[in-house]
Amino acid sequence: SQQGEEDPQALSIQEGENATMNCSYKTSINNLQWYRQNSGRGLVHLILIRSNEREKHSGRLRVTLDTSKKSSSLLITASRAADTASYFCATDDRASGSRLTFGEGTQLTVNP
Amino acid sequence: ETGVTQTPRHLVMGMTNKKSLKCEQHLGHNAMYWYKQSAKKPLELMFVYSLEERVENNSVPSRFSPECPNSSHLFLHLHTLQPEDSALYLCASSQEYRAQPQHFGDGTRLSIL
Repeated sequence: SQQGEEDPQALSIQEGENATMNCSYKTSINNLQWYRQNSGRGLVHLILIRSNEREKHSGRLRVTLDTSKKSSSLLITASRAADTASYFCATDDRASGSRLTFGEGTQLTVNP
Repeated sequence: ETGVTQTPRHLVMGMTNKKSLKCEQHLGHNAMYWYKQSAKKPLELMFVYSLEERVENNSVPSRFSPECPNSSHLFLHLHTLQPEDSALYLCASSQEYRAQPQHFGDGTRLSIL
């Protein structure tokens, strides 16, 4: 079945550096979303990119989507300690009628 | 504040206990979801309700019993759970069934003794 897979599983950087996380998936999608989860909290929606879009920006976030490679990347620029969290991609799978499928996430640690 | 409130935040129970998890959304959404989040595993969709009607049950054992009395409230009744049921249980809502994005509560951390 369809599943988003994030890479790397864990990432540790210094404050001010950029963080890049990648997501790969297997089937055709309507859109791909990125969510953030702080420790002990629920998931918070960050950004949605549709299958006919290649790049999208929201503040310090930049998301790219390459449907030919079935991959997406999330770039966080000028990272802050408050960006420390787990980041998940979720794919809206056409074959399953828009069911959301989540990956296992990337744990980002931003050191002050 | 996401508009989705879950109670309790933490729950410890024995395998023979009966307890319930509660979710309330203040967003006027028509669809509500229960997910299970275990360590090192992707989120697992358990149940989906649309306009108070269950529309998905993803092979969840009968020891988990959902209830949706109205479009703002969702319960998960627990009975005779197993140690492997220990996890974070997340509730989410969306405007309509399978609409995005979904809005999540902070979850109930469940520990089975």
